[in-house]
Amino acid sequence: QVQLEQSGAEVKKPGASVKVSCKASGFTLSDYYMHWVRQAPGQGLEWMGWINGNSGVTKYAQKFQDRVTLTRDTSIGTAYMELSRLRSDDTAIYYCARDPSTSGGYFDYWGQRTLVTVSS
Amino acid sequence: QSALTQPASVSGSPGQSITISCTGTSSDVGGYNYVSWYQQHPGKAPKLMIYDVSNRPSGVSNRFSGSKSGNTASLTISGLQAEDEADYYCNSYTSSATLVFGGGTKVTVL
Repeated sequence: QVQLEQSGAEVKKPGASVKVSCKASGFTLSDYYMHWVRQAPGQGLEWMGWINGNSGVTKYAQKFQDRVTLTRDTSIGTAYMELSRLRSDDTAIYYCARDPSTSGGYFDYWGQRTLVTVSS
Repeated sequence: QSALTQPASVSGSPGQSITISCTGTSSDVGGYNYVSWYQQHPGKAPKLMIYDVSNRPSGVSNRFSGSKSGNTASLTISGLQAEDEADYYCNSYTSSATLVFGGGTKVTVL
């Protein structure tokens, strides 16, 4: 069955970087787009960006354009999200999500979550 | 890209029907048939309920339906049940090849 296993919770200081992993099982990563979505405490969902699992081409939300990097390693079926220059308002739950569409985009499977806490 | 506009809350009694709206612009909701809806219970990951405006994934109850008119998409829940109490988010593809969520709607079953 399809599963997305994310790496564990992280605590970082302001200005640091964090890299979250998302290991795919039950499907081939290179056959799909993968997205990253975050949710600050008590807030709504926020789309961060996507990566084409085959080509590695990426697209980011303008808000994160200069701070986020999405990558993938198809040999081990894992996608990554790295966020740099962390601020306290980056404290949030981060999700990876699979996109089965060929155009547009939606998310049919989600990772279990990774909590990133930014605190001095 | 501004977030899509959803009502903060919607409520209904068991058995009733409710509709949640999701308003965007011609650059997102109105320009493409790529609106999706997600249900999120507290402490859980979101769950896909509707994709491409009105398609329901297998396993999702047919009490959930989606539609779109102009720049506004809608999610209707018919025969409201206690288990439907959750937060609901719309999402749309945009002209920038990005995606954008709505602010979310809290559904309360009275």
